Amino acid sequence: SQQGEEDPQALSIQEGENATMNCSYKTSINNLQWYRQNSGRGLVHLILIRSNEREKHSGRLRVTLDTSKKSSSLLITASRAADTASYFCATDWAGGGADGLTFGKGTHLIIQP
Amino acid sequence: ETGVTQSPTHLIKTRGQQVTLRCSSQSGHNTVSWYQQALGQGPQFIFQYYREEENGRGNFPPRFSGLQFPNYSSELNVNALELDDSALYLCASSPGLVRHRTDTQYFGPGTRLTVL
Repeated sequence: SQQGEEDPQALSIQEGENATMNCSYKTSINNLQWYRQNSGRGLVHLILIRSNEREKHSGRLRVTLDTSKKSSSLLITASRAADTASYFCATDWAGGGADGLTFGKGTHLIIQP
Repeated sequence: ETGVTQSPTHLIKTRGQQVTLRCSSQSGHNTVSWYQQALGQGPQFIFQYYREEENGRGNFPPRFSGLQFPNYSSELNVNALELDDSALYLCASSPGLVRHRTDTQYFGPGTRLTVL
């Protein structure tokens, strides 16, 4: 089963606008990561935020983490056509053992030129 | 480019057959993980290897098995293929600095397996 859930499932915006997608998860985590996937190919790591961090920036990306609500958001500012992709949040469970990452179903983002 | 490669790119098999998928990790990465991604879904964790030992396993039956080699290559083997095994199979490597923590994963492009 998949722990994370991204919201919305699909998002279509105009180039230049900001895109916000949300992620909710269920258990305690070590970290939360966001990945991008273009057309069913490999995933590209975007940003990692640890459980003791609340906000992180990387270029046009801003990620927030609220561990009390078990939620995260990814903001992409000044979107470009090349940002069209599926975006996944993934969590690393803090319960011990190596369980890899648990992914949600993703948000499919379409940037209209 | 993540420096992680997978082969083959595409594969078609028949139900009941066996398949071996291969991955070459980044040099120096101790950990390799394998994921299965069905169409329209997020990746699901199959198992992880740390320094050639299985380090954790997801909810997959024993007919999914793996190996990790000292040269940073690894294999995913699936026996007795079923139609539902049709998916994109992704391997991901990471430095593995902390054994039971999964930090940034560097994914390969995947192998698209179709079972007929």
